[in-house]
Amino acid sequence: DTEVTQTPKHLVMGMTNKKSLKCEQHMGHRAMYWYKQKAKKPPELMFVYSYEKLSINESVPSRFSPECPNSSLLNLHLHALQPEDSALYLCASSQPGLSFTSYNEQFFGPGTRLTVL
Amino acid sequence: AQKVTQAQTEISVVEKEDVTLDCVYETRDTTYYLFWYKQPPSGELVFLIRRNSFDEQNEISGRYSWNFQKSTSSFNFTITASQVVDSAVYFCALMKTGANNLFFGTGTRLTVIP
Repeated sequence: DTEVTQTPKHLVMGMTNKKSLKCEQHMGHRAMYWYKQKAKKPPELMFVYSYEKLSINESVPSRFSPECPNSSLLNLHLHALQPEDSALYLCASSQPGLSFTSYNEQFFGPGTRLTVL
Repeated sequence: AQKVTQAQTEISVVEKEDVTLDCVYETRDTTYYLFWYKQPPSGELVFLIRRNSFDEQNEISGRYSWNFQKSTSSFNFTITASQVVDSAVYFCALMKTGANNLFFGTGTRLTVIP
């Protein structure tokens, strides 16, 4: 099973709402990622969890709050977002890059298309 | 510092033509990985290939082939006999060894016209 699933597919929220994005993988990967992708731009890394611990936070505003409840699940909690946060949010997973022989390719989910009104 | 340049923003070809997507990278690391991903209109990024920096062998997978040349810091991707289903944005990416973050190029939008 080489699949990363994300829910919901689409989300529309107001600036005062609180919502969560969910991501799940069953490939036994121990690294999980959140990316943000604006239209016609490449994905930008937001967070990396390695062995359920936050290892990278790319200076993301605190209105985005990641959570990794277990090795298969990754959440992104959203609160008080701005219209400029509207984007495609992609989740990915991989084996952690511990050595040169470990597999690093990241497998991506279909994304959640978020619109903030 | 890591940098990936995909100079071709958009390419259009007629079905069955061959097309090459260029990728040039910069890194100070001696060991690293290079990747190509495909992003169709549905949005999901599909992994195509991973290359280790010490392995300069060209690779062919069906209609896809990749040419890795360390001397020119390039990792180009060729689609032979293109098909409409190849229409997508293609991203080249770089990762240093032992790290988890991918540095993406800006992508090349390929349109295959029937």
